[in-house]
Amino acid sequence: DAGVTQSPTHLIKTRGQHVTLRCSPISGHKSVSWYQQVLGQGPQFIFQYYEKEERGRGNFPDRFSARQFPNYSSELNVNALLLGDSALYLCASSLEYSGNTIYFGEGSWLTVV
Amino acid sequence: SQQGEEDPQALSIQEGENATMNCSYKTSINNLQWYRQNSGRGLVHLILIRSNEREKHSGRLRVTLDTSKKSSSLLITASRAADTASYFCATEGLISGGYNKLIFGAGTRLAVHP
Repeated sequence: DAGVTQSPTHLIKTRGQHVTLRCSPISGHKSVSWYQQVLGQGPQFIFQYYEKEERGRGNFPDRFSARQFPNYSSELNVNALLLGDSALYLCASSLEYSGNTIYFGEGSWLTVV
Repeated sequence: SQQGEEDPQALSIQEGENATMNCSYKTSINNLQWYRQNSGRGLVHLILIRSNEREKHSGRLRVTLDTSKKSSSLLITASRAADTASYFCATEGLISGGYNKLIFGAGTRLAVHP
């Protein structure tokens, strides 16, 4: 079975631009979460979606938004990019919204110049 | 803010030796999960240990959990060069507001030398 898949793997954007990152969870998993990992630090929680509804949001500005589609895939959108948004963006999936093993994808490396 | 802290921040050992990494956290948890991350790659899940469990094994990995001390340890026995990576503990707190999230520490960088 395929694991969590993310696209694109790498991208470079200019300050002020917008970016969309995509994620397909493991088949059968209903929960998708997004994390940001800055170089040298552990991942930080951005969003959790479960059954297509936002269930939780971390301490990130409104420039960050996400959605989950009927097939449980998800998109993370970031508007008005800042240099500080440069990071590895990780998507994670799990069967339910809590209490289960959480599996991560390979991530999308975003560089803002 | 980071919930957990891994100790040590970096660990350098020879192949065949055992590696022990520790993790401390601050609030009550539902479970604790350990992950491995190779440079620039995604997180690979290693072990999940629930708050009512004290020890779990998986191959060369042994994880312990002490909820009274709010700490966990990951032991890798008979280490190999391929174990070189960063290791993170992540805690899932008690359910609040109908959702949950993992809170990560800063990780331990393990280097295993042939």
